[in-house]
Amino acid sequence: KAGVTQTPRYLIKTRGQQVTLSCSPISGHRSVSWYQQTPGQGLQFLFEYFSETQRNKGNFPGRFSGRQFSNSRSEMNVSTLELGDSALYLCASSWGPGGSYNEQFFGPGTRLTVL
Amino acid sequence: GNSVTQMEGPVTLSEEAFLTINCTYTATGYPSLFWYVQYPGEGLQLLLKATKADDKGSNKGFEATYRKETTSFHLEKGSVQVSDSAVYFCALRGDQGGKLIFGQGTELSVKP
Repeated sequence: KAGVTQTPRYLIKTRGQQVTLSCSPISGHRSVSWYQQTPGQGLQFLFEYFSETQRNKGNFPGRFSGRQFSNSRSEMNVSTLELGDSALYLCASSWGPGGSYNEQFFGPGTRLTVL
Repeated sequence: GNSVTQMEGPVTLSEEAFLTINCTYTATGYPSLFWYVQYPGEGLQLLLKATKADDKGSNKGFEATYRKETTSFHLEKGSVQVSDSAVYFCALRGDQGGKLIFGQGTELSVKP
């Protein structure tokens, strides 16, 4: 069974641009969560989607948004990029919505560099 | 709110040494606890988990016991290998589900 895939793996953008990252969950998984990883802040939760609905949202500005499609694939968008948005963006999928027995499987991440 | 604190790294050990990475948490109720490992250039892999007090998670020689009385979930391995060099993250998920909350990560370097 294929794992979680994220595209692209690497991105370089300039300040003020916008970017869209994509995540394809494991087949059959309906929940997708996004995390931002930076050296200074560590791993921080962005949002979680289940069956095309956002269930949880982290403490990030409105420039960060996401969506989920009917095939469970998810995208996140960051508008008006800032230098501080440079990070590894990780996507995780699970069978159901976040819960004690739902293991999350992580993708390899998209490395975003903002110049 | 919920939080996780783990020992700072980097931790450098010789091959076959004993490993302990400390992790303590703050949470209401009965969270689930996890250890994830991240190898260079890769995403996170679940190493082990425990979902209730006194549970012991184990995998690939690594172990951690959910200690509610000390709010701890320390990671141990009896004999580390060079291939164990990675960054290890302790995490919790609240008993209402939802997001994972991670510690800051501990980098482990094992020398031959």
